[in-house]
Amino acid sequence: ILNVEQSPQSLHVQEGDSTNFTCSFPSSNFYALHWYRWETAKSPEALFVMTLNGDEKKKGRISATLNTKEGYSYLYIKGSQPEDSATYLCALLNSGYSTLTFGKGTMLLVSP
Amino acid sequence: DTGVSQDPRHKITKRGQNVTFRCDPISEHNRLYWYRQTLGQGPEFLTYFQNEAQLEKSRLLSDRFSAERPKGSFSTLEIQRTEQGDSAMYLCASSSLTGNYGYTFGSGTRLTVV
Repeated sequence: ILNVEQSPQSLHVQEGDSTNFTCSFPSSNFYALHWYRWETAKSPEALFVMTLNGDEKKKGRISATLNTKEGYSYLYIKGSQPEDSATYLCALLNSGYSTLTFGKGTMLLVSP
Repeated sequence: DTGVSQDPRHKITKRGQNVTFRCDPISEHNRLYWYRQTLGQGPEFLTYFQNEAQLEKSRLLSDRFSAERPKGSFSTLEIQRTEQGDSAMYLCASSSLTGNYGYTFGSGTRLTVV
């Protein structure tokens, strides 16, 4: 069983604050790391797929980094807005498996 | 193509009843997945299909659960003799066989067993 851990479990910030979350995973047999954003009453939405050690990806104010050797990924949100409020999920695709293994998510609340 | 759709969005059922959920994936996607999410947990894998073949089932999938994907198109997930512990969000996703296996999710079916 793969263990994908996310921290913190939840986070409450003020509008304009920058924030970051961590996803930790076993580094052996790594294939890809996915990030999803899941807003209440909507479908989880793909943010990033990262495959190479040292990968850095950016979409607007959100960026992510990947360290496959030590088994972690960071997700950064610069200047948080209330519309960023959601649960952020990371998921591991390991070469020994055919499906994504998800972490428990980080629930972000951004207050105006 | 309007993405992955799931039906119904919500289902309330009495303990012991059978329920069936439907998922319509993106038409070009070969793979279809079912996950379950309960409060405080991330999505947990249940089963997946490649075309019409069910390739893997989780240990979470008890004998009361069955899934089908006839003709490799839509899929159904049936739960027989529901229990209160089955209350959860049931998510369906699809992906293609090429690229990075990124999932496209449906909005889920929220099951409440009373």
